[in-house]
Amino acid sequence: GAVVSQHPSWVICKSGTSVKIECRSLDFQATTMFWYRQFPKQSLMLMATSNEGSKATYEQGVEKDKFLINHASLTLSTLTVTSAHPEDSSFYICSASWTANEQYFGPGTRLTVT
Amino acid sequence: DAKTTQPNSMESNEEEPVHLPCNHSTISGTDYIHWYRQLPSQGPEYVIHGLTSNVNNRMASLAIAEDRKSSTLILHRATLRDAAVYYCILPFGNEKLTFGTGTRLTIIP
Repeated sequence: GAVVSQHPSWVICKSGTSVKIECRSLDFQATTMFWYRQFPKQSLMLMATSNEGSKATYEQGVEKDKFLINHASLTLSTLTVTSAHPEDSSFYICSASWTANEQYFGPGTRLTVT
Repeated sequence: DAKTTQPNSMESNEEEPVHLPCNHSTISGTDYIHWYRQLPSQGPEYVIHGLTSNVNNRMASLAIAEDRKSSTLILHRATLRDAAVYYCILPFGNEKLTFGTGTRLTIIP
Protein backbone atom coordinates (compact mmCIF):
# COMPACT_ATOMS: atom_id res chain seq x y z
CA GLY A 1 0.00 0.00 0.00
CA ALA A 2 0.86 3.72 0.17
CA VAL A 3 1.78 4.15 -3.48
CA VAL A 4 2.34 7.56 -5.02
CA SER A 5 2.66 8.02 -8.76
CA GLN A 6 3.92 10.93 -10.82
CA HIS A 7 3.30 11.76 -14.43
CA PRO A 8 5.20 12.25 -16.59
CA SER A 9 8.37 10.50 -15.42
CA TRP A 10 10.42 12.73 -17.68
CA VAL A 11 9.70 15.71 -19.90
CA ILE A 12 11.66 17.93 -22.23
CA CYS A 13 10.27 21.35 -23.04
CA LYS A 14 11.39 24.52 -24.75
CA SER A 15 12.31 27.63 -22.84
CA GLY A 16 9.29 29.85 -22.23
CA THR A 17 6.70 27.09 -22.23
CA SER A 18 4.81 25.70 -19.23
CA VAL A 19 4.89 22.15 -17.94
CA LYS A 20 2.40 20.39 -15.65
CA ILE A 21 3.43 17.52 -13.39
CA GLU A 22 0.81 15.34 -11.70
CA CYS A 23 1.15 13.59 -8.37
CA ARG A 24 -1.40 10.97 -7.35
CA SER A 25 -1.85 8.89 -4.22
CA LEU A 26 -3.14 5.61 -5.61
CA ASP A 27 -4.39 3.74 -2.57
CA PHE A 28 -4.93 6.30 0.13
CA GLN A 29 -6.33 9.76 0.63
CA ALA A 30 -3.59 12.29 1.20
CA THR A 31 -4.47 15.17 3.48
CA THR A 32 -1.16 16.82 2.68
CA MET A 33 1.09 16.74 -0.35
CA PHE A 34 4.58 18.11 -0.66
CA TRP A 35 6.68 19.15 -3.65
CA TYR A 36 10.47 18.90 -3.66
CA ARG A 37 13.19 19.74 -6.15
CA GLN A 38 16.54 18.01 -6.43
CA PHE A 39 19.46 19.24 -8.51
CA PRO A 40 22.18 16.78 -9.58
CA LYS A 41 24.35 15.55 -6.70
CA GLN A 42 22.36 17.63 -4.22
CA SER A 43 19.78 16.79 -1.61
CA LEU A 44 16.04 17.33 -1.88
CA MET A 45 14.76 20.80 -1.18
CA LEU A 46 11.16 21.35 -0.10
CA MET A 47 9.37 23.77 -2.40
CA ALA A 48 5.85 23.85 -1.01
CA THR A 49 3.26 22.13 1.12
CA SER A 50 -0.33 21.81 0.01
CA ASN A 51 -3.52 20.68 1.70
CA GLU A 52 -6.57 19.66 -0.24
CA GLY A 53 -8.81 22.59 -1.06
CA SER A 54 -6.51 25.30 0.24
CA LYS A 55 -3.67 27.37 -1.12
CA ALA A 56 -0.17 25.94 -1.03
CA THR A 57 2.39 27.21 1.43
CA TYR A 58 5.67 27.97 -0.33
CA GLU A 59 9.14 27.80 1.19
CA GLN A 60 11.23 30.93 1.31
CA GLY A 61 12.79 31.69 -2.05
CA VAL A 62 10.31 29.69 -4.11
CA GLU A 63 8.32 31.85 -6.52
CA LYS A 64 4.65 31.00 -6.13
CA ASP A 65 3.74 32.61 -9.47
CA LYS A 66 6.28 30.47 -11.27
CA PHE A 67 5.52 27.16 -9.55
CA LEU A 68 1.74 26.85 -9.45
CA ILE A 69 0.40 24.14 -7.17
CA ASN A 70 -3.15 22.87 -7.25
CA HIS A 71 -4.36 20.28 -4.75
CA ALA A 72 -7.83 19.71 -6.13
CA SER A 73 -8.64 16.43 -4.39
CA LEU A 74 -7.36 14.10 -1.70
CA THR A 75 -5.60 12.01 -4.33
CA LEU A 76 -4.25 14.55 -6.81
CA SER A 77 -1.88 17.49 -6.71
CA THR A 78 -0.35 19.23 -9.71
CA LEU A 79 2.74 21.39 -10.08
CA THR A 80 2.91 23.69 -13.09
CA VAL A 81 6.25 25.23 -13.96
CA THR A 82 5.32 28.37 -15.86
CA SER A 83 7.56 30.03 -18.43
CA ALA A 84 10.24 27.41 -17.83
CA HIS A 85 13.90 28.29 -18.28
CA PRO A 86 16.98 26.05 -18.43
CA GLU A 87 17.75 26.76 -14.76
CA ASP A 88 14.42 25.11 -13.88
CA SER A 89 15.77 21.81 -15.19
CA SER A 90 15.71 19.49 -12.20
CA PHE A 91 14.25 16.36 -10.64
CA TYR A 92 10.84 17.19 -9.17
CA ILE A 93 9.50 14.84 -6.52
CA CYS A 94 6.18 14.85 -4.72
CA SER A 95 5.19 13.15 -1.52
CA ALA A 96 1.87 12.51 0.15
CA SER A 97 0.83 11.79 3.69
CA TRP A 98 -2.28 11.11 5.69
CA THR A 99 -0.56 10.95 9.06
CA ALA A 100 2.03 13.28 10.48
CA ASN A 101 4.68 10.62 10.75
CA GLU A 102 4.98 9.04 7.33
CA GLN A 103 5.40 10.53 3.91
CA TYR A 104 5.26 8.46 0.75
CA PHE A 105 7.21 9.71 -2.20
CA GLY A 106 6.56 9.52 -5.90
CA PRO A 107 9.22 8.26 -8.32
CA GLY A 108 10.05 11.77 -9.47
CA THR A 109 9.81 13.70 -12.75
CA ARG A 110 12.93 14.74 -14.57
CA LEU A 111 12.41 18.08 -16.31
CA THR A 112 14.81 19.30 -18.96
CA VAL A 113 14.28 22.77 -20.39
CA THR A 114 16.10 23.45 -23.67
CA ASP B 1 14.06 22.54 13.38
CA ALA B 2 16.68 20.39 15.06
CA LYS B 3 19.80 19.56 13.04
CA THR B 4 21.17 16.08 12.40
CA THR B 5 24.74 14.98 11.63
CA GLN B 6 25.57 11.86 9.67
CA PRO B 7 28.77 10.49 8.13
CA ASN B 8 29.02 11.31 4.44
CA SER B 9 29.60 7.74 3.39
CA MET B 10 29.89 4.18 4.67
CA GLU B 11 30.71 0.83 3.16
CA SER B 12 29.53 -2.60 4.19
CA ASN B 13 29.89 -6.12 2.91
CA GLU B 14 26.88 -7.85 1.47
CA GLU B 15 24.90 -10.03 3.91
CA GLU B 16 26.45 -8.35 6.93
CA PRO B 17 24.67 -5.98 9.35
CA VAL B 18 25.01 -2.25 8.82
CA HIS B 19 24.83 0.36 11.55
CA LEU B 20 24.18 3.89 10.30
CA PRO B 21 24.70 6.53 13.00
CA CYS B 22 22.99 9.88 13.41
CA ASN B 23 23.65 12.61 15.95
CA HIS B 24 20.88 15.00 16.93
CA SER B 25 22.08 16.69 20.10
CA THR B 26 19.55 19.56 19.89
CA ILE B 27 16.53 17.28 19.68
CA SER B 28 13.52 18.38 21.67
CA GLY B 29 11.28 16.15 23.74
CA THR B 30 8.56 15.96 21.11
CA ASP B 31 10.74 15.47 18.02
CA TYR B 32 10.33 12.18 16.23
CA ILE B 33 13.37 10.64 14.54
CA HIS B 34 12.72 9.62 10.95
CA TRP B 35 14.82 7.70 8.46
CA TYR B 36 14.33 7.76 4.73
CA ARG B 37 16.51 6.40 1.95
CA GLN B 38 16.88 7.33 -1.69
CA LEU B 39 18.02 4.89 -4.33
CA PRO B 40 19.64 6.34 -7.46
CA SER B 41 17.22 8.25 -9.71
CA GLN B 42 14.24 7.48 -7.49
CA GLY B 43 12.15 9.31 -4.94
CA PRO B 44 12.96 8.75 -1.27
CA GLU B 45 11.48 5.80 0.55
CA TYR B 46 10.27 5.81 4.15
CA VAL B 47 12.29 3.42 6.29
CA ILE B 48 11.34 3.82 9.94
CA HIS B 49 10.61 6.35 12.66
CA GLY B 50 10.62 6.46 16.44
CA LEU B 51 10.32 8.71 19.46
CA THR B 52 11.94 7.11 22.51
CA SER B 53 11.81 3.34 22.34
CA ASN B 54 13.68 1.17 19.87
CA VAL B 55 11.60 0.28 16.83
CA ASN B 56 11.60 -2.65 14.44
CA ASN B 57 9.90 -3.15 11.10
CA ARG B 58 10.40 -5.37 8.09
CA MET B 59 13.03 -3.06 6.63
CA ALA B 60 15.19 -2.11 9.58
CA SER B 61 15.57 -1.44 13.28
CA LEU B 62 16.01 1.92 14.94
CA ALA B 63 18.01 2.12 18.12
CA ILE B 64 17.55 5.38 20.03
CA ALA B 65 19.99 6.43 22.74
CA GLU B 66 18.57 6.90 26.20
CA ASP B 67 19.25 10.65 26.10
CA ARG B 68 17.84 10.75 22.52
CA LYS B 69 20.83 12.73 21.31
CA SER B 70 21.76 10.03 18.83
CA SER B 71 20.23 7.11 17.02
CA THR B 72 21.34 4.23 14.84
CA LEU B 73 19.59 2.69 11.88
CA ILE B 74 20.32 -1.01 11.67
CA LEU B 75 20.01 -3.03 8.50
CA HIS B 76 20.29 -6.58 9.73
CA ARG B 77 21.56 -8.19 6.55
CA ALA B 78 22.58 -5.79 3.82
CA THR B 79 21.90 -6.64 0.20
CA LEU B 80 23.00 -4.85 -2.94
CA ARG B 81 19.51 -3.32 -3.12
CA ASP B 82 20.22 -1.47 0.12
CA ALA B 83 22.82 0.73 -1.58
CA ALA B 84 21.34 4.20 -1.25
CA VAL B 85 21.63 7.57 0.49
CA TYR B 86 20.14 7.30 3.97
CA TYR B 87 18.69 10.40 5.59
CA CYS B 88 18.11 10.90 9.30
CA ILE B 89 15.53 13.65 9.75
CA LEU B 90 13.73 15.34 12.63
CA PRO B 91 10.62 16.68 10.91
CA PHE B 92 9.60 20.22 11.70
CA GLY B 93 6.20 20.06 13.35
CA ASN B 94 6.52 16.30 12.94
CA GLU B 95 5.60 16.77 9.28
CA LYS B 96 7.90 18.98 7.21
CA LEU B 97 11.05 17.14 6.14
CA THR B 98 14.39 18.89 5.72
CA PHE B 99 16.84 16.65 3.89
CA GLY B 100 20.51 17.03 4.74
CA THR B 101 23.32 15.38 2.83
CA GLY B 102 22.68 11.95 4.33
CA THR B 103 24.98 8.94 4.35
CA ARG B 104 25.81 7.27 1.06
CA LEU B 105 25.88 3.54 1.77
CA THR B 106 27.88 1.33 -0.56
CA ILE B 107 27.43 -2.43 -0.39
CA ILE B 108 30.41 -4.52 -1.40
CA PRO B 109 29.51 -7.84 -3.05
